[in-house]
Amino acid sequence: EDQVTQSPEALRLQEGESSSLNCSYTVSGLRGLFWYRQDPGKGPEFLFTLYSAGEEKEKERLKATLTKKESFLHITAPKPEDSATYLCAVQRDSNYQLIWGAGTKLIIKP
Amino acid sequence: DSGVTQTPKHLITATGQRVTLRCSPRSGDLSVYWYQQSLDQGLQFLIQYYNGEERAKGNILERFSAQQFPDLHSELNLSSLELGDSALYFCASSPGGRAEAFFGQGTRLTVV
Repeated sequence: EDQVTQSPEALRLQEGESSSLNCSYTVSGLRGLFWYRQDPGKGPEFLFTLYSAGEEKEKERLKATLTKKESFLHITAPKPEDSATYLCAVQRDSNYQLIWGAGTKLIIKP
Repeated sequence: DSGVTQTPKHLITATGQRVTLRCSPRSGDLSVYWYQQSLDQGLQFLIQYYNGEERAKGNILERFSAQQFPDLHSELNLSSLELGDSALYFCASSPGGRAEAFFGQGTRLTVV
């Protein structure tokens, strides 16, 4: 069964303390993996799309990487405004359906 | 601003009632998706339309229905509302089924 698992469920960091969020997936044919950021009560905001193992993308303090079984979202020297829930989704290449993870709630303390 | 517009932003209604949520996709996007997100829960995919045709169905209840009009805006109809239908309802759009989707700010539905 296709599945996306994100870990940890929640992560508390001090401002400036770098870390990584994990998205593990099993899917019968991956077309792409998406990362989104969601603030409370708001719609998810698109961050990155990764298509193949070895691919990396960066945006400000965030870097996303992809292997054949998982993706990491690395956050370098985070600031309080990076606090949000980070969502991962994989897209099947057979029908383009998105399978979503439950998210990681990131809290950055000043 | 993602370019996806959802109205209304908030809706309070009584059990047993029917409501309609509206979504205007980004200019040029042909695909529209509807999602439900209950308090502290993940995104639940409801349904997808592509250029007016239903493309995929998720965990959408029979009391719920949707459609996409020729001008590509979409409506989600929720009927015989129950307390458990209280949630955030998001619309997202993409150029097609293969590209990343951009989300609106959601409609918060409260059923009392």
